[in-house]
Amino acid sequence: DAGVTQSPTHLIKTRGQHVTLRCSPISGHKSVSWYQQVLGQGPQFIFQYYEKEERGRGNFPDRFSARQFPNYSSELNVNALLLGDSALYLCASSGGGGRPRDYEQYFGPGTRLTVT
Amino acid sequence: AQTVTQSQPEMSVQEAETVTLSCTYDTSENNYYLFWYKQPPSRQMILVIRQEAYKQQNATENRFSVNFQKAAKSFSLKISDSQLGDTAMYFCAFLTQGGSEKLVFGKGTKLTVNP
Repeated sequence: DAGVTQSPTHLIKTRGQHVTLRCSPISGHKSVSWYQQVLGQGPQFIFQYYEKEERGRGNFPDRFSARQFPNYSSELNVNALLLGDSALYLCASSGGGGRPRDYEQYFGPGTRLTVT
Repeated sequence: AQTVTQSQPEMSVQEAETVTLSCTYDTSENNYYLFWYKQPPSRQMILVIRQEAYKQQNATENRFSVNFQKAAKSFSLKISDSQLGDTAMYFCAFLTQGGSEKLVFGKGTKLTVNP
């Protein structure tokens, strides 16, 4: 089965611009989470979506938004880009059920965003 | 708020030897999960092992095993028979059961396996 996929792989944007990152979860997974990973750090939680509803939001400004579609894919949007938004953006999917295995999050390869 | 601490920024081990990576966490929750993730230089984050807090038995996945000490809030990863492919950043992560599935990560330990 295909793993979590993300697009694009790399992206270069200018300050003030807007960006949309995309994620397709593992088939059968209903939950998608987004993380930001800056160089040398562990990932930081941005959002979690389950069945198209926002389940959780991390400590990120309102410039960050996301949504989940009926097919469980997801988009992360960032407006008014700042230099500090340069990072690896990771998408993870999980089953979304109540079994221990459903809490395992599987990550995609990430989108490397560079803001100049 | 939950926090995860990995006190070893870097470690190295000889091929075929055993190495243990440390992790401590802080939480007031009783039901949670702990994970170890591996991120090789190619950057894809890979799940290594999962531990449920309600289980006293330590989780094992092939050459990887954990030492989970709930009272001490400690969760170390032991890698046996280290292989060159084990070279990676290793992240310890915590997830509260119920509510949002927010993974809280430590800062990671860079492990190098030497031939």
